[in-house]
Amino acid sequence: DAGVIQSPRHEVTEMGQEVTLRCKPISGHNSLFWYRQTMMRGLELLIYFNNNVPIDDSGMPEDRFSAKMPNASFSTLKIQPSEPRDSAVYFCASSWDRNTGELFFGEGSRLTVL
Amino acid sequence: DQQVKQNSPSLSVQEGRISILNCDYTNSMFDYFLWYKKYPAEGPTFLISISSIKDKNEDGRFTVFLNKSAKHLSLHIVPSQPGDSAVYFCAATPRMVGNEKLTFGTGTRLTIIP
Repeated sequence: DAGVIQSPRHEVTEMGQEVTLRCKPISGHNSLFWYRQTMMRGLELLIYFNNNVPIDDSGMPEDRFSAKMPNASFSTLKIQPSEPRDSAVYFCASSWDRNTGELFFGEGSRLTVL
Repeated sequence: DQQVKQNSPSLSVQEGRISILNCDYTNSMFDYFLWYKKYPAEGPTFLISISSIKDKNEDGRFTVFLNKSAKHLSLHIVPSQPGDSAVYFCAATPRMVGNEKLTFGTGTRLTIIP
């Protein structure tokens, strides 16, 4: 079975440009999470969806960040405009059982904003 | 405000010895705890979990201990093997309130010395 698929794996862009990260969750999973990993803060939850509906976006840093889940098999995280402090690894994860707490992570998208 | 803290950024252990990774939390609503393991250039993968109704959970070489009064948990790996070298993240969730949001610590990099 395919795991969580993220693209692009690496993105290098210049400050002010728009960045779009994409995620395909595991088929049948009904929750999707976007996390950001930095050295200082570890894995921070940005937003999560349940049945395509955003449930908690309190971790989204500011209005420059937005996320959508138009259907059960696709989600995007957009940063516009991007800034150097947005440089991090962004992970998407999905789950099917809210009782276990077990998340299945993608391999991440490493973003570098120059 | 870090609600889940891993105060040791790194740990080195001889192969065959016991590895002990520690985690502290501040939110008394957390009632379910998990450990994830992460290799470079990969997403985190679930390792072991424990509910607040237990104080110990064992799975092969991995045991997690929970001390609710101290708000502390630890992961023991016995015996340690070279393949255990990775970053370990502690995570917690207030599952009792039906919230599947996982809060992660900053991680501990474990290096097993052959």
